Amino acid sequence: QVELQESGPGLVKPSGTLSLTCAVSGGPISTNNWWSWVRQPPGKGLEWIGEVYHSGSTNYSPSLKSRVTISVDKSKNQFSLKLNSVTAADTAVYYCARVFIMGTVDYYYYMDVWGKGTTVTVS
Amino acid sequence: DIQMTQSPSSLYASVGDRVTITCRASQNIYTYFNWYQQKPGKAPELLIYTASSLQSGVPSRFSGSGSGTDFTLTISSLQPEDFATYYCQQGYSTPWTFGQGTKVEI
Repeated sequence: QVELQESGPGLVKPSGTLSLTCAVSGGPISTNNWWSWVRQPPGKGLEWIGEVYHSGSTNYSPSLKSRVTISVDKSKNQFSLKLNSVTAADTAVYYCARVFIMGTVDYYYYMDVWGKGTTVTVS
Repeated sequence: DIQMTQSPSSLYASVGDRVTITCRASQNIYTYFNWYQQKPGKAPELLIYTASSLQSGVPSRFSGSGSGTDFTLTISSLQPEDFATYYCQQGYSTPWTFGQGTKVEI
């Protein structure tokens, strides 16, 4: 059973860089899945940030692309998020999630495993 | 980006009620569509994938239907543990996008 655990500073200064890591346990990160970051500002809905494949390929949200880097460390079985030039608007609970790929001809994608989330405050 | 619009934003219901939540995509997404449940202070959990497939461990009172642009989540008989916020999400193309959520309240 794959489990995900986020870690990182809970407080980041404005204009600084938010850095989080998601540790993957119960299975290798080098499987046919994407590994995503999703955030949720206080009292608001879910926002997808981006994702990484074990090869290092990435996809990012266009609204955050200029500030985001997501990378994978296969030796540590983890992936990471860096968001720079943060403001108060980046205050949120940050989740990591596995994007499961189903199918062999048509590919279906869904987030089937989530971490518990970590709260990051920019102040 | 594909926009996902849920309705209603919130609803009040009682235990035993049949509840229906709808989600509309801004373009045809076939059945590349998923539903999640989120309880306060917890991470979202996958309920339904590919529009109508029930995730393992999810009670059979939950069902999903639809294709193209219009989708529905139905809870046949609302239970106390079902009071939560429900999100739809398109899995057709990145950036993955979610609906704004539907809060089911007592």
